[in-house]
Amino acid sequence: QQQVKQSPQSLIVQKGGISIINCAYENTAFDYFPWYQQFPGKGPALLIAIRPDVSEKKEGRFTISFNKSAKQFSLHIMDSQPGDSATYFCAATRETSGSRLTFGEGTQLTVNP
Amino acid sequence: DAGVTQSPTHLIKTRGQHVTLRCSPISGHKSVSWYQQVLGQGPQFIFQYYEKEERGRGNFPDRFSARQFPNYSSELNVNALLLGDSALYLCASSFSSGLYNEQFFGPGTRLTVL
Repeated sequence: QQQVKQSPQSLIVQKGGISIINCAYENTAFDYFPWYQQFPGKGPALLIAIRPDVSEKKEGRFTISFNKSAKQFSLHIMDSQPGDSATYFCAATRETSGSRLTFGEGTQLTVNP
Repeated sequence: DAGVTQSPTHLIKTRGQHVTLRCSPISGHKSVSWYQQVLGQGPQFIFQYYEKEERGRGNFPDRFSARQFPNYSSELNVNALLLGDSALYLCASSFSSGLYNEQFFGPGTRLTVL
């Protein structure tokens, strides 16, 4: 059962552009939504995370938008750079479930110079 | 400081064999989780261990087992390997269990089953 659906599967953006990745979840018990960035040969690394009591969180060029009623959240990367080229995963968990993350399928982002 | 380390980096096995993957968490971290990442998909949760006790198990067959040692390192064992077990196996450590703690992932072990 795929509880977190992510789109698009791949994304190509020009340098300086905005990258947008979307996720939708099914389990309304989820209450913590992190985004991970993964480079080839590396494990995923936490990028930014949000709880459903806020609708937006911004850290530098990265912003999460959260729509609780629609059960959707998205990652916006402003002023995208070639160094941002990586695979991005959204995830969801219940804070009381400890470490059990449910990941989306991933989005391969390519930022052209 | 060293991050999460995993060994071996790569492994090739044949169907029916057994494999043991190892993970050393970040110093001070007591919780270890294992994930399976099939090529082109997101990681899937397999196990979480905290203080040597299993705290969670994903939807994986009994061929998969794990344990955590007193020094908080961990092993993932897979018996009777199938072709479908070919994947990147990720270990993640966090300070504690219970409420969500940031997880730090290792680079993974790439398992190929022929």
